[in-house]
Amino acid sequence: QQQVKQSPQSLIVQKGGISIINCAYENTAFDYFPWYQQFPGKGPALLIAIRPDVSEKKEGRFTISFNKSAKQFSLHIMDSQPGDSATYFCAASIVYGNTGKLIFGQGTTLQVKP
Amino acid sequence: EAGVVQSPRYKIIEKKQPVAFWCNPISGHNTLYWYRQNLGQGPELLIRYENEEAVDDSQLPKDRFSAERLKGVDSTLKIQPAELGDSAVYLCASSRRAGGGNEQFFGPGTRLTVL
Repeated sequence: QQQVKQSPQSLIVQKGGISIINCAYENTAFDYFPWYQQFPGKGPALLIAIRPDVSEKKEGRFTISFNKSAKQFSLHIMDSQPGDSATYFCAASIVYGNTGKLIFGQGTTLQVKP
Repeated sequence: EAGVVQSPRYKIIEKKQPVAFWCNPISGHNTLYWYRQNLGQGPELLIRYENEEAVDDSQLPKDRFSAERLKGVDSTLKIQPAELGDSAVYLCASSRRAGGGNEQFFGPGTRLTVL
């Protein structure tokens, strides 16, 4: 019940295309859903995050769509660029309860071809 | 502001040898996390500190792993003895305060290879 399932495992997109990564969770107590971006040799860095009181959050070319009833959320990267090539992790945690424990998905390796 | 600093960046050891990783969190961040990231997987929490107190070590294999955070700043994670299955990237992260909605800032990690 603590798992976050992420798909696809890898993704190849042409420059200018839309990249879509999906995640699903079981624990309905989760109420904070961040996406992290990780480049080779670097630690993950927060990209964008959403709380379940909204269905969508957009920051520049990055959008999170959230479906509370389906317990699913996704990351959309519009106008994908070669510089977006990285591994993306979805995660989930519980805001209140003071743990801060992030449960990560398995990761998606994105390659954007020029 | 300076990011989370970790050292060493890479470590290769023989099995059954000890190894230690060091982390310096972002100044002012009271919460410190150690994660393990296996190849092709997401990070998994090993231990979380609030200042100098370990408040969540439920995922830490206590028979061989230990950690400390003296004076509530720097932290060290130790493995003794190391096993082949310990090969992974060990990530340190910090956040200004506890709570699931607070951004965690990650260091670059230490890549451990156990031969």
